[in-house]
Amino acid sequence: RKEVEQDPGPFNVPEGATVAFNCTYSNSASQSFFWYRQDCRKEPKLLMSVYSSGNEDGRFTAQLNRASQYISLLIRDSKLSDSATYLCVVNRPGGSYIPTFGRGTSLIVHP
Amino acid sequence: DAGVTQSPTHLIKTRGQQVTLRCSPKSGHDTVCWYQQALGQGPQFIFQYYEEEERQRGNFPDRFSGHQFPNYSSELNVNALLLGDSALYLCASSSGEEQPQHFGDGTRLSIL
Repeated sequence: RKEVEQDPGPFNVPEGATVAFNCTYSNSASQSFFWYRQDCRKEPKLLMSVYSSGNEDGRFTAQLNRASQYISLLIRDSKLSDSATYLCVVNRPGGSYIPTFGRGTSLIVHP
Repeated sequence: DAGVTQSPTHLIKTRGQQVTLRCSPKSGHDTVCWYQQALGQGPQFIFQYYEEEERQRGNFPDRFSGHQFPNYSSELNVNALLLGDSALYLCASSSGEEQPQHFGDGTRLSIL
């Protein structure tokens, strides 16, 4: 089992749709969690941190389920500009923490 | 406030050569991580530097080495280049090992 797994997609949705991505992790001792967005041939950019209580930033909601070892990202009212690859990052223990990326989930929002 | 800067942007090398990539962290950041990203994959952790020491290392051979300078900038060195080393090399900085990272634009390395 990979340390961090994501469905690569692509998720193809119309504008205005709600879409959700999950990311599972294997190490139960993992601590901090993040979602990044990466546009084609660009660097990853931090979208949001994921807190135990769940957190929301505009149309984006992130949640953490420690019991089932996954994090989720919900995007409401999808925009064309949301088309990108969404990467989850899990800081797994290893001496100090090691940032471990999933392979990313591709989202395509169409008119 | 300058973000993370990397140089060069693109680089073409041949098998067996050596390469040095450079990174200046975001102002106020003291921790630097290097990643290798192949097409269609997520970034793979190479190593992390803090206080001029390598603190963590991913599953990369000894051909990959690095350095962090007193001003927190960092270098990634790769010796005996292989075709499989062709990738986007990303540098990310943070203010601590559990803090969100900020990425540079990356160096796209092509091995011929």
